[in-house]
Amino acid sequence: AQRVTQPEKLLSVFKGAPVELKCNYSYSGSPELFWYVQYSRQRLQLLLRHISRESIKGFTADLNKGETSFHLKKPFAQEEDSAMYYCALAGSARQLTFGSGTQLTVLP
Amino acid sequence: DVKVTQSSRYLVKRTGEKVFLECVQDMDHENMFWYRQDPGLGLRLIYFSYDVKMKEKGDIPEGYSVSREKKERFSLILESASTNQTSMYLCASSLFAAQETQYFGPGTRLLVL
Repeated sequence: AQRVTQPEKLLSVFKGAPVELKCNYSYSGSPELFWYVQYSRQRLQLLLRHISRESIKGFTADLNKGETSFHLKKPFAQEEDSAMYYCALAGSARQLTFGSGTQLTVLP
Repeated sequence: DVKVTQSSRYLVKRTGEKVFLECVQDMDHENMFWYRQDPGLGLRLIYFSYDVKMKEKGDIPEGYSVSREKKERFSLILESASTNQTSMYLCASSLFAAQETQYFGPGTRLLVL
């Protein structure tokens, strides 16, 4: 079975501060991991995926197989980063498994 | 740009009614998905389809059925709506496997009274 855990339901940081959204997964094989984001009144959209190793909007995420983690990081948070963030895993099944989400608020 | 549309943004139904939620994508994607989104629970997969007339159960299929008669259209059916099916329903599509990027619709907020 595959499982994704996001331990923080809510996270608040001040503008300009570093931010880290935690994601841990459980999967016996080689996972494909994603971060999706939903801004207020917008549809859910892909932020980044680990296989592409891209930095999107200043966010990066590194897959740590030893710790089974895929934490999302940004060195300097901006107010427009306030959103709901979901970590997701694609394993052997044809489906994505999503975490419960973290609501990030960046305070001015 | 991929466009995924859902037939209604808001829907109010009574307990016991049959409810149809429609989803259409315009990019010839093979896979389509129905999720429900609830606070504190994230997105949970109800059903998905990887081809016309093909469907597979997700994590929470009870109380739901689906139909995919055409490649671009995927319908979610609540045979007899119940109050615990009040939720936000999201449709998504992807080109091939789940490992591909999923593109989401705007969502349908369903209230069952």
